[in-house]
Amino acid sequence: GQNIDQPTEMTATEGAIVQINCTYQTSGFNGLFWYQQHAGEAPTFLSYNVLDGLEEKGRFSSFLSRSKGYSYLLLKELQMKDSASYLCAVRDLDNTDKLIFGTGTRLQVFP
Amino acid sequence: DVKVTQSSRYLVKRTGEKVFLECVQDMDHENMFWYRQDPGLGLRLIYFSYDVKMKEKGDIPEGYSVSREKKERFSLILESASTNQTSMYLCASSMSGGGYEQYFGPGTRLTVT
Repeated sequence: GQNIDQPTEMTATEGAIVQINCTYQTSGFNGLFWYQQHAGEAPTFLSYNVLDGLEEKGRFSSFLSRSKGYSYLLLKELQMKDSASYLCAVRDLDNTDKLIFGTGTRLQVFP
Repeated sequence: DVKVTQSSRYLVKRTGEKVFLECVQDMDHENMFWYRQDPGLGLRLIYFSYDVKMKEKGDIPEGYSVSREKKERFSLILESASTNQTSMYLCASSMSGGGYEQYFGPGTRLTVT
């Protein structure tokens, strides 16, 4: 079966660092995406990992461990505008470009 | 600037009506996708298309059909709308070949009464 787990909700303070975890059990694996979705808006791409390790992009970083079926998104120097849902999605090893999405983590940043 | 557009932001239909949701992308992408998004369930794939006239069922295709007659346009059809199809519908497109991000449209919030 296909299963992607993320915490449902998280809260953090402006200026802090927060880590959003994602674990997956899928029949195959061919890459992991993170998307950001503000309330009432479309998801937008944040990062893509296919090899183990850390990918850094400004205030956001994403980590992948394929052997552990685990990824995290790290957000530094949190700003109020980072309040959003963060979606983890896995690309299966079925030679298509379909993604399997987790249910998302709603992050609230407080002043 | 890349763009995926959807025909309506909000739509209200009656049970039993035939409903058409249209999606257009201007990026010459091979892949197009239809998802529905419900609280607590996340994004679920209804159908996707990897080329003109080609389609594959996603995880929840029951009650839906699709059409892709031109590369830039992907239509989702609800043959006979039911109240359990009240949802947010999101269209997306991507290049093919793996590792390419999906670009999403703004979504259509459909209410079936």
